[in-house]
Amino acid sequence: AQSVAQPEDQVNVAEGNPLTVKCTYSVSGNPYLFWYVQYPNRGLQFLLKYITGDNLVKGSYGFEAEFNKSQTSFHLKKPSALVSDSALYFCAVRDQGYGNNRLAFGKGNQVVVIP
Amino acid sequence: NAGVTQTPKFRVLKTGQSMTLLCAQDMNHEYMYWYRQDPGMGLRLIHYSVGEGTTAKGEVPDGYNVSRLKKQNFLLGLESAAPSQTSVYFCASSKDPLLHSYNEQFFGPGTRLTVL
Repeated sequence: AQSVAQPEDQVNVAEGNPLTVKCTYSVSGNPYLFWYVQYPNRGLQFLLKYITGDNLVKGSYGFEAEFNKSQTSFHLKKPSALVSDSALYFCAVRDQGYGNNRLAFGKGNQVVVIP
Repeated sequence: NAGVTQTPKFRVLKTGQSMTLLCAQDMNHEYMYWYRQDPGMGLRLIHYSVGEGTTAKGEVPDGYNVSRLKKQNFLLGLESAAPSQTSVYFCASSKDPLLHSYNEQFFGPGTRLTVL
């Protein structure tokens, strides 16, 4: 079975400081990995994905994520956080062998950027 | 392009009542999904559809039924609502992963349902 763990419930960071949101995954084969962001009372918005190739993936709004196969991790990063980055962030994984495109989501991390 | 839309945005039901949530997408996507979001539990898949006329169970299907009579619409039904079904419901759609292996899911704005 595929699964994702987001170990921290909330991440607090000062505006302008680097932001990291952690994610580890478990799949039986090779993974497709995704990050989504959810602003209050909104649906999930796609940020970035890892399919294959370069381990550093760049996405929307200045976010990037690093795929580490040996540590089964896919941490989301932003060099300089903005107050507007305060939101709920979800990591998701899909086993490449699944033709039904079912994703397993983590429980989410609340990010609070302090002015 | 409206993307994925959901109707209604909010609803309050009494225990035992029934209702249908409507999801519509205008991206010509083959696959559609219904999730529920509960605090501290992330998103859990209820049912999904890989094409018009097909449906399949997800992780938490009990108490829900779905139908996909048209490619662009995916309906989620609650026949006899229970307080445990109080949640935020999200619909999503995606391209066929067999044809587009690295596709993401696109989400609607959600429906907040309260069952008293």
